[in-house]
Formats: sequence, C-alpha cells, structure tokens
Amino acid sequence: EAGVAQSPRYKIIEKRQSVAFWCNPISGHATLYWYQQILGQGPKLLIQFQNNGVVDDSQLPKDRFSAERLKGVDSTLKIQPAKLEDSAVYLCASSATGWGTEAFFGQGTRLTVV
Amino acid sequence: SQQGEEDPQALSIQEGENATMNCSYKTSINNLQWYRQNSGRGLVHLILIRSNEREKHSGRLRVTLDTSKKSSSLLITASRAADTASYFCATGGGSNYKLTFGKGTLLTVNP
Repeated sequence: EAGVAQSPRYKIIEKRQSVAFWCNPISGHATLYWYQQILGQGPKLLIQFQNNGVVDDSQLPKDRFSAERLKGVDSTLKIQPAKLEDSAVYLCASSATGWGTEAFFGQGTRLTVV
Repeated sequence: SQQGEEDPQALSIQEGENATMNCSYKTSINNLQWYRQNSGRGLVHLILIRSNEREKHSGRLRVTLDTSKKSSSLLITASRAADTASYFCATGGGSNYKLTFGKGTLLTVNP
C-alpha cells in the first residue's frame, strides 16, 4: 500500500515570500491532517479535513496560512507571507475515517525561512 | 494547544532494560494513541487504546489507560538500540475526532 506522499522534502525561502506544500494521502482515506512541528516540540494540528470539508482549523493562522483539499483527495497548504517563526517541519497525515483510527504520516516538508 | 503531556521529557537506559513513559491529558477522549518518531522514518503509529479499555499489548509494548486520572503509560520491554526515538501520545476526542499530540519523550537506548 502506498503511503502518504509529500513534496517538496525541503524548502528554503526568504521572509515575506510565499510557499506551498502538497500532500497526497493514502487512497480512500477520508480524513486528512496538516501539522506543524517546530524542532523539539510535538506536532501541532493546523487543519483537519473530512473528505473535502474543513472540520477543524482553530489553530491555523488564517491571516497567512490557507489550505484546501481538492475533490476530497490531494491537499495543498500555503503560507503567504512567510515569517521567520514559520520555520518548521510540515507534516501531512491521513486516516481511513478519522473516527478512532490510526493516522499515517508522510515524511514531511522541512521549511526554513531566512 | 497540546492536549497530552509526556513525562519524562527525556529518558536514557541501557539495552535490555524496560522503558516507561507517561502521558497526562486534560479533556475527555475517545481513544489515546502512541506514536514513535525518529529521523529516518518519520512519525509511526504504535498502538491505540480506546477509552473503555484499560490495558493493551502489542509485541514488546504495553499501554495502560486510566480515564479517571486522565493518564496513560507506555512500557517498552527489553529495549533495543533501535528503539531510540521520540515517543508521543496523541488523544482523539470530540465530535470532530481532533487528533492532538503531546510534547513527547526522547528515549535513548544505549548499546
């Protein structure tokens, strides 16, 4: 079974620039999560989709972050404009239903804002 | 916000010893999960325990859950150097099944 695919693996940008991350979840998984993980900390949930609808985005900085899930499959997370404190690993995960099932994670995108 | 809080923050043991990590959480949950993260393989699911379960085993892993104390523990028996990683508890709860992670325990198993 193919896992969760993310790209790019690494990205370096200057502050105030924009950046986009892409995620392809496991086929058939209804729930998709985006997490931000700062070095030395646990993953912080940014947004959770159920199919193509948003079920939680309470910790998404909506003035600069946006996310969408196309046709309930692939997803993109965008930051515009980036700040130095956005430097982190961005993790995408999916689960079959979201209701009490395990989440499968991609390798993540390491973003460095300089 | 982080739901779970792992304890200790870091743990160093010798190969063959047992490792115990604890997790405390604040709100009611549907289930609690444990994940491992190392640099090579990213975040990997280890075990899930539901709110109506008290103990669960998987290979060398044993997880307990005490909903009255809002706490869980993960025991790794006969540790190996390959178990060196960060371990996170994640709580699933609420109508949206929001999956929230703690800050993690860094386990180092010395050969």
